[in-house]
Amino acid sequence: DTAVSQTPKYLVTQMGNDKSIKCEQNLGHDTMYWYKQDSKKFLKIMFSYNNKELIINETVPNRFSPKSPDKAHLNLHINSLELGDSAVYFCASSLGSGSQPQHFGDGTRLSIL
Amino acid sequence: QKEVEQNSGPLSVPEGAIASLNCTYSDRGSQSFFWYRQYSGKSPELIMFIYSNGDKEDGRFTAQLNKASQYVSLLIRDSQPSDSATYLCAVTNNQGGKLIFGQGTELSVKP
Repeated sequence: DTAVSQTPKYLVTQMGNDKSIKCEQNLGHDTMYWYKQDSKKFLKIMFSYNNKELIINETVPNRFSPKSPDKAHLNLHINSLELGDSAVYFCASSLGSGSQPQHFGDGTRLSIL
Repeated sequence: QKEVEQNSGPLSVPEGAIASLNCTYSDRGSQSFFWYRQYSGKSPELIMFIYSNGDKEDGRFTAQLNKASQYVSLLIRDSQPSDSATYLCAVTNNQGGKLIFGQGTELSVKP
């Protein structure tokens, strides 16, 4: 059973479109995250939610809107996609929002044409 | 100054040797330290975590932490070609679980 699963794995779309990425975890964790890994492989946090409540919101354009319907799900909606949004987006989860290790999903590779 | 710094490599070691990966961090409030392995095109996979000064061993892996020097390292004993990957150091001050990653060190283990 996949612990942290993301869909879709690949997303190819045109500039200006709106797209969503979904994430689900079956680990019983209460905290979920979105990270962005750019072309230089640098991994940077975007958002985190603890029990459906937003606790970290890094300096991310407001075109990015996370939503957590329950503690096992965290989705990411992106409006008006730009070329610079091309990256791999990873979802992760952990037990608690402090020191516990985070476990990553397989990632969604987003390519903007 | 980057918050978490690693040598980007590539670090090349022969099979069976010890690979030593280093990481320094700038935030003295950092409390928890993690090493992830990432194969090309794959997701980061947790290898080790350490919270206290000293060494922590798990199989062929040893994590070392020195908070006074703001330094954390990962030793891989008896390196195997399958260990060839990028190793990511990540630290957090435990506030909200925000992990700060280094840029990663590419390790190549030659048969």
